[in-house]
Amino acid sequence: DAGITQSPRHKVTETGTPVTLRCHQTENHRYMYWYRQDPGHGLRLIHYSYGVKDTDKGEVSDGYSVSRSKTEDFLLTLESATSSQTSVYFCAISESDQINLYYEQYFGPGTRLTVT
Amino acid sequence: AQSVTQPDIHITVSEGASLELRCNYSYGATPYLFWYVQSPGQGLQLLLKYFSGDTLVQGIKGFEAEFKRSQSSFNLRKPSVHWSDAAEYFCAVGASGYSTLTFGKGTMLLVSP
Repeated sequence: DAGITQSPRHKVTETGTPVTLRCHQTENHRYMYWYRQDPGHGLRLIHYSYGVKDTDKGEVSDGYSVSRSKTEDFLLTLESATSSQTSVYFCAISESDQINLYYEQYFGPGTRLTVT
Repeated sequence: AQSVTQPDIHITVSEGASLELRCNYSYGATPYLFWYVQSPGQGLQLLLKYFSGDTLVQGIKGFEAEFKRSQSSFNLRKPSVHWSDAAEYFCAVGASGYSTLTFGKGTMLLVSP
Protein backbone atom coordinates (compact mmCIF):
# COMPACT_ATOMS: atom_id res chain seq x y z
CA ASP A 1 0.00 0.00 0.00
CA ALA A 2 1.09 3.54 -0.73
CA GLY A 3 2.26 5.36 2.40
CA ILE A 4 -0.57 7.82 2.87
CA THR A 5 -2.06 8.77 6.20
CA GLN A 6 -4.85 11.18 7.01
CA SER A 7 -5.57 12.85 10.32
CA PRO A 8 -7.86 13.01 12.07
CA ARG A 9 -9.82 9.97 10.85
CA HIS A 10 -13.04 11.24 12.40
CA LYS A 11 -14.06 14.69 13.49
CA VAL A 12 -17.23 16.34 14.73
CA THR A 13 -17.26 20.12 14.75
CA GLU A 14 -19.76 22.94 15.03
CA THR A 15 -20.93 25.27 12.29
CA GLY A 16 -18.70 28.31 11.97
CA THR A 17 -15.54 26.76 13.43
CA PRO A 18 -12.33 26.36 11.44
CA VAL A 19 -11.18 22.83 10.63
CA THR A 20 -7.89 21.57 9.20
CA LEU A 21 -7.40 18.10 7.78
CA ARG A 22 -3.93 16.74 7.17
CA CYS A 23 -2.62 14.37 4.52
CA HIS A 24 0.87 12.94 4.93
CA GLN A 25 2.75 10.81 2.39
CA THR A 26 6.02 8.92 2.53
CA GLU A 27 6.26 8.24 -1.23
CA ASN A 28 7.83 11.56 -2.25
CA HIS A 29 5.18 11.99 -4.95
CA ARG A 30 4.89 15.42 -6.52
CA TYR A 31 1.10 15.53 -6.91
CA MET A 32 -1.43 15.51 -4.08
CA TYR A 33 -5.20 15.86 -4.17
CA TRP A 34 -8.17 16.44 -1.89
CA TYR A 35 -11.55 14.93 -2.76
CA ARG A 36 -14.88 14.81 -1.03
CA GLN A 37 -17.20 11.83 -1.33
CA ASP A 38 -20.95 12.17 -0.94
CA PRO A 39 -23.72 9.67 -1.71
CA GLY A 40 -24.88 10.03 -5.29
CA HIS A 41 -21.99 12.28 -6.25
CA GLY A 42 -19.01 9.95 -6.30
CA LEU A 43 -15.67 11.69 -5.75
CA ARG A 44 -15.32 15.36 -6.49
CA LEU A 45 -12.00 17.16 -6.62
CA ILE A 46 -11.63 20.05 -4.17
CA HIS A 47 -8.02 21.21 -4.68
CA TYR A 48 -4.80 19.68 -5.85
CA SER A 49 -1.10 20.43 -5.66
CA TYR A 50 1.60 19.93 -8.27
CA GLY A 51 4.50 20.83 -6.01
CA VAL A 52 5.49 22.66 -2.85
CA LYS A 53 3.51 25.90 -2.69
CA ASP A 54 1.85 25.10 -6.08
CA THR A 55 -1.86 24.46 -5.85
CA ASP A 56 -4.94 24.76 -8.04
CA LYS A 57 -8.70 24.57 -7.65
CA GLY A 58 -10.90 21.63 -8.44
CA GLU A 59 -14.60 21.53 -9.24
CA VAL A 60 -15.87 22.12 -5.67
CA SER A 61 -13.30 24.49 -4.14
CA ASP A 62 -15.64 27.13 -2.64
CA GLY A 63 -15.28 27.26 1.15
CA TYR A 64 -11.98 25.37 1.15
CA SER A 65 -8.34 26.39 1.11
CA VAL A 66 -5.16 24.32 0.95
CA SER A 67 -1.49 24.65 1.73
CA ARG A 68 1.59 22.63 0.92
CA SER A 69 4.79 23.78 2.60
CA LYS A 70 6.55 20.39 2.35
CA THR A 71 6.44 17.64 -0.24
CA GLU A 72 5.00 15.17 2.23
CA ASP A 73 2.16 17.26 3.71
CA PHE A 74 -1.00 18.68 2.13
CA LEU A 75 -3.45 20.50 4.39
CA LEU A 76 -7.12 21.17 3.70
CA THR A 77 -8.76 23.98 5.69
CA LEU A 78 -12.40 24.79 6.09
CA GLU A 79 -12.24 28.41 7.26
CA SER A 80 -15.77 28.39 8.67
CA ALA A 81 -17.37 24.97 8.51
CA THR A 82 -20.96 24.60 7.30
CA SER A 83 -23.32 21.63 7.46
CA SER A 84 -23.01 21.21 3.68
CA GLN A 85 -19.35 20.32 4.23
CA THR A 86 -20.29 17.22 6.19
CA SER A 87 -18.65 14.53 4.06
CA VAL A 88 -15.89 11.98 3.80
CA TYR A 89 -12.64 13.54 2.64
CA PHE A 90 -9.99 11.60 0.78
CA CYS A 91 -6.43 12.51 0.00
CA ALA A 92 -4.66 11.01 -3.00
CA ILE A 93 -1.14 11.14 -4.41
CA SER A 94 0.34 10.53 -7.83
CA GLU A 95 3.44 10.79 -9.94
CA SER A 96 3.71 10.75 -13.72
CA ASP A 97 5.60 8.05 -15.58
CA GLN A 98 7.72 10.77 -17.23
CA ILE A 99 7.29 9.26 -20.70
CA ASN A 100 3.57 9.05 -21.38
CA LEU A 101 2.59 11.58 -18.69
CA TYR A 102 0.00 9.29 -17.14
CA TYR A 103 -0.96 9.88 -13.53
CA GLU A 104 -1.99 6.92 -11.40
CA GLN A 105 -3.59 8.02 -8.11
CA TYR A 106 -3.35 6.26 -4.76
CA PHE A 107 -5.75 7.06 -1.97
CA GLY A 108 -5.56 7.53 1.77
CA PRO A 109 -8.02 5.96 4.24
CA GLY A 110 -10.27 9.04 4.47
CA THR A 111 -11.52 11.44 7.14
CA ARG A 112 -15.16 11.46 8.15
CA LEU A 113 -16.16 15.03 9.02
CA THR A 114 -19.49 15.92 10.61
CA VAL A 115 -20.49 19.56 10.96
CA THR A 116 -23.36 20.07 13.43
CA ALA B 1 -14.53 18.39 -20.70
CA GLN B 2 -14.13 14.79 -19.66
CA SER B 3 -17.05 12.87 -18.21
CA VAL B 4 -17.63 9.36 -16.95
CA THR B 5 -20.96 7.57 -16.74
CA GLN B 6 -21.62 4.47 -14.71
CA PRO B 7 -25.21 3.68 -15.68
CA ASP B 8 -25.93 1.26 -12.84
CA ILE B 9 -26.15 2.66 -9.33
CA HIS B 10 -26.69 -0.80 -7.78
CA ILE B 11 -26.16 -4.29 -9.14
CA THR B 12 -26.96 -7.56 -7.37
CA VAL B 13 -25.20 -10.72 -8.48
CA SER B 14 -25.40 -14.24 -7.10
CA GLU B 15 -22.19 -15.66 -5.67
CA GLY B 16 -20.43 -17.65 -8.38
CA ALA B 17 -22.13 -15.81 -11.23
CA SER B 18 -20.32 -13.62 -13.72
CA LEU B 19 -20.16 -9.85 -13.37
CA GLU B 20 -19.98 -6.94 -15.77
CA LEU B 21 -19.96 -3.32 -14.58
CA ARG B 22 -20.40 -0.68 -17.23
CA CYS B 23 -18.39 2.49 -17.72
CA ASN B 24 -18.77 4.97 -20.56
CA TYR B 25 -16.56 8.01 -20.98
CA SER B 26 -16.60 11.15 -23.03
CA TYR B 27 -13.31 12.63 -24.13
CA GLY B 28 -11.92 13.88 -27.43
CA ALA B 29 -8.40 12.47 -27.22
CA THR B 30 -7.18 9.03 -26.23
CA PRO B 31 -8.01 8.59 -22.57
CA TYR B 32 -6.39 6.57 -19.92
CA LEU B 33 -8.79 4.68 -17.69
CA PHE B 34 -8.94 3.14 -14.24
CA TRP B 35 -11.19 1.03 -12.10
CA TYR B 36 -11.07 1.45 -8.34
CA VAL B 37 -12.83 -0.53 -5.61
CA GLN B 38 -13.95 0.79 -2.23
CA SER B 39 -14.96 -1.49 0.62
CA PRO B 40 -17.15 0.01 3.36
CA GLY B 41 -15.24 2.49 5.52
CA GLN B 42 -12.10 2.18 3.41
CA GLY B 43 -10.22 4.24 0.88
CA LEU B 44 -10.15 3.48 -2.84
CA GLN B 45 -7.94 0.68 -4.11
CA LEU B 46 -6.71 0.54 -7.69
CA LEU B 47 -8.04 -2.57 -9.45
CA LEU B 48 -6.64 -2.06 -12.94
CA LYS B 49 -5.64 0.52 -15.50
CA TYR B 50 -5.48 1.07 -19.24
CA PHE B 51 -2.91 3.40 -20.74
CA SER B 52 -2.29 2.03 -24.24
CA GLY B 53 -1.63 -1.20 -26.13
CA ASP B 54 -3.64 -4.35 -25.48
CA THR B 55 -7.25 -3.35 -24.97
CA LEU B 56 -7.94 -6.21 -22.54
CA VAL B 57 -6.25 -5.50 -19.23
CA GLN B 58 -5.93 -7.73 -16.21
CA GLY B 59 -6.10 -6.49 -12.67
CA ILE B 60 -6.01 -7.71 -9.12
CA LYS B 61 -8.54 -10.05 -7.50
CA GLY B 62 -9.35 -11.76 -10.82
CA PHE B 63 -10.86 -8.68 -12.50
CA GLU B 64 -10.35 -7.66 -16.09
CA ALA B 65 -11.57 -4.78 -18.26
CA GLU B 66 -11.79 -4.16 -21.97
CA PHE B 67 -11.26 -0.79 -23.63
CA LYS B 68 -13.52 -0.32 -26.65
CA ARG B 69 -12.77 2.94 -28.40
CA SER B 70 -15.70 2.62 -30.83
CA GLN B 71 -18.14 2.38 -27.93
CA SER B 72 -16.29 4.76 -25.57
CA SER B 73 -16.48 2.06 -22.94
CA PHE B 74 -14.27 0.42 -20.37
CA ASN B 75 -16.37 -2.32 -18.77
CA LEU B 76 -15.16 -4.30 -15.77
CA ARG B 77 -15.67 -8.07 -15.70
CA LYS B 78 -15.15 -11.02 -13.43
CA PRO B 79 -16.08 -14.60 -14.38
CA SER B 80 -17.12 -15.74 -10.90
CA VAL B 81 -18.05 -13.34 -8.10
CA HIS B 82 -17.16 -14.01 -4.47
CA TRP B 83 -19.02 -12.60 -1.47
CA SER B 84 -15.90 -10.55 -0.64
CA ASP B 85 -16.32 -8.63 -3.93
CA ALA B 86 -19.29 -6.76 -2.46
CA ALA B 87 -18.15 -3.12 -2.55
CA GLU B 88 -18.50 0.09 -4.51
CA TYR B 89 -16.68 0.34 -7.83
CA PHE B 90 -15.54 3.54 -9.49
CA CYS B 91 -14.44 4.15 -13.04
CA ALA B 92 -12.10 7.10 -13.70
CA VAL B 93 -10.72 8.76 -16.82
CA GLY B 94 -7.67 10.93 -17.39
CA ALA B 95 -5.70 12.36 -20.29
CA SER B 96 -2.03 12.33 -21.08
CA GLY B 97 -0.30 15.37 -19.64
CA TYR B 98 -3.11 16.18 -17.21
CA SER B 99 -2.66 15.29 -13.56
CA THR B 100 -6.34 15.15 -12.59
CA LEU B 101 -8.88 12.39 -13.05
CA THR B 102 -12.63 12.48 -13.51
CA PHE B 103 -14.56 9.85 -11.57
CA GLY B 104 -17.91 8.25 -12.21
CA LYS B 105 -20.53 8.24 -9.47
CA GLY B 106 -19.90 4.61 -8.66
CA THR B 107 -21.73 1.28 -8.84
CA MET B 108 -22.57 -0.58 -5.62
CA LEU B 109 -22.18 -4.33 -6.04
CA LEU B 110 -24.26 -6.57 -3.79
CA VAL B 111 -23.54 -10.31 -3.74
CA SER B 112 -26.37 -12.65 -2.83
CA PRO B 113 -25.80 -16.16 -1.44
